[in-house]
Amino acid sequence: AQSVTQPDIHITVSEGASLELRCNYSYGATPYLFWYVQSPGQGLQLLLKYFSGDTLVQGIKGFEAEFKRSQSSFNLRKPSVHWSDAAEYFCAVGEAYKYIFGTGTRLKVLA
Amino acid sequence: EAGVTQSPTHLIKTRGQQATLRCSPISGHTSVYWYQQALGLGLQFLLWYDEGEERNRGNFPPRFSGRQFPNYSSELNVNALELEDSALYLCASSPGQNYGYTFGSGTRLTVV
Repeated sequence: AQSVTQPDIHITVSEGASLELRCNYSYGATPYLFWYVQSPGQGLQLLLKYFSGDTLVQGIKGFEAEFKRSQSSFNLRKPSVHWSDAAEYFCAVGEAYKYIFGTGTRLKVLA
Repeated sequence: EAGVTQSPTHLIKTRGQQATLRCSPISGHTSVYWYQQALGLGLQFLLWYDEGEERNRGNFPPRFSGRQFPNYSSELNVNALELEDSALYLCASSPGQNYGYTFGSGTRLTVV
């Protein structure tokens, strides 16, 4: 069955430090992959998506993600974190009409 | 351009009652999806509507139902509410499959 794993439940980084959030997926075909961010009590905002083509995808708010088929990974990165990036981040794989979401990684940013 | 709008923002119901949640998709989007985000259970797919028809549903009991109107807005109904139905219900829309969802801010349903 298709699945998405986000191995880190919580991550804490200092403001200005680099960030990498991990995502591994299990999917039989070429996946459609997404990263969403959720602030407390809010809905999900799409950061970036991968459908095909260039494996390095640029998103909003300075985020990028790299699709690595050999590792079944789609890790999210940001070179310099801002305090406003504190939120929960969800990786998802698109399976036809629905998405399979990971359990999320909660990011805390230290001033 | 207006995003996906959901109403109400918060809803408090008593066990056994019915709840109705509403969603207006982005203009031009014909597909509406409903997800439940319950504490400790993550985001679970509930229902998919497209062109007025229910296209698929997740692993939820029949007391979770809904419909899509001719203007593509959608309603989610939850009958015979149980305490474990307390969750954030998120609606998303897309212009078609695999374009990427746009989510609304959700309705927080609390069952007491």
